[in-house]
Amino acid sequence: QKEVEQNSGPLSVPEGAIASLNCTYSDRGSQSFFWYRQYSGKSPELIMSIYSNGDKEDGRFTAQLNKASQYVSLLIRDSQPSDSATYLCAVPGVSNQAGTALIFGKGTTLSVSS
Amino acid sequence: EAQVTQNPRYLITVTGKKLTVTCSQNMNHEYMSWYRQDPGLGLRQIYYSMNVEVTDKGDVPEGYKVSRKEKRNFPLILESPSPNQTSLYFCASSLRGLAVWDTGELFFGEGSRLTVL
Repeated sequence: QKEVEQNSGPLSVPEGAIASLNCTYSDRGSQSFFWYRQYSGKSPELIMSIYSNGDKEDGRFTAQLNKASQYVSLLIRDSQPSDSATYLCAVPGVSNQAGTALIFGKGTTLSVSS
Repeated sequence: EAQVTQNPRYLITVTGKKLTVTCSQNMNHEYMSWYRQDPGLGLRQIYYSMNVEVTDKGDVPEGYKVSRKEKRNFPLILESPSPNQTSLYFCASSLRGLAVWDTGELFFGEGSRLTVL
């Protein structure tokens, strides 16, 4: 069973700062990695995907992947109060020894203060 | 509007009283799944369905049933709810099961908060 580990936080940063969210995963064979954002009381939504070692940028968001270290991170530049949410790291996997699922980490709560 | 619709959104019930949480998607997605989200435990898959009439257990299936008679609907059935099933439930769908691996994109419903007394 794949495992995805995240620091639960909360991670508190001031407005305009860089927020760094980290995730480690157990299966060295994992090929694709995803970041979901979940606002309080809302459902998760996909914000980033990354498949290759290195960085992938999308606006203020940068995903970083290091397969050798089994480590994926999400950087949020110029953090805004609207970025305050729980960020979930996810990898595709199988559940119950068969099938298809996204395996989610427990999430890191980010709080951006104005 | 493309969406996954769950009902009810909130429910308080008592131990042993059968209930069904409905889930419907209008995106013609083949893959549908149920997750529960609990503090400190995160999102865990209950059941999933690769297509009509094809369902299988996820990581935490005990106490739940599902059916997939139509492509758009995937109800979650609690035959005899117990307090440990108090949770926030999410239905999610994706174009195909393979798409979960390729794009990681799951479209989630708004969630159903269930309390079992």
